Amino acid sequence: DQQVKQNSPSLSVQEGRISILNCDYTNSMFDYFLWYKKYPAEGPTFLISISSIKDKNEDGRFTVFLNKSAKHLSLHIVPSQPGDSAVYFCAASDSGGGADGLTFGKGTHLIIQP
Amino acid sequence: DVKVTQSSRYLVKRTGEKVFLECVQDMDHENMFWYRQDPGLGLRLIYFSYDVKMKEKGDIPEGYSVSREKKERFSLILESASTNQTSMYLCASSTDSYDEQYFGPGTRLTVT
Repeated sequence: DQQVKQNSPSLSVQEGRISILNCDYTNSMFDYFLWYKKYPAEGPTFLISISSIKDKNEDGRFTVFLNKSAKHLSLHIVPSQPGDSAVYFCAASDSGGGADGLTFGKGTHLIIQP
Repeated sequence: DVKVTQSSRYLVKRTGEKVFLECVQDMDHENMFWYRQDPGLGLRLIYFSYDVKMKEKGDIPEGYSVSREKKERFSLILESASTNQTSMYLCASSTDSYDEQYFGPGTRLTVT
């Protein structure tokens, strides 16, 4: 059973506009959330994270929002740039749960159109 | 900068061969992980290790084994490669098991 879900396999956004990538989770023990970006033939790179004690974290053009009651988080990219075209993975973990690591979603392929 | 390196970027093996994928990290991380990435399936955890000589099964350990003899090195072994093990293999390491993981560049393995 998928504990982290990214329901949109792909998303197309015009350059300069806002990209919003969504992620839902089912495990109420998750308290730490991360977004990764992956280009083809490369390993994923860490983008931004958020702890469950916060509802927003911002880093430059990237902002992650967390809605704990809805078990939902989203990544906003403003403004979107061509280099943002990549697969984005949402990941979650239970910081008190031992050595189980991160649980990843299946990814959303973001395409930025000129 | 954290560096995670993988022994090969591309590998082609025949069915039935024994395959070794090596991963080395230079940040003295306790935890190391092996994933495979397939289209539409995301990143699936094969095995992880939280200490030298320790290993834990992930979500899809069947057909794989691992070895961690030194802290910096984590090896993934395909005992008898099969065509359904054709995939992108990604190694990662982290300080804390729940925290940010640093990934290597990946190995694209093709089994024919």
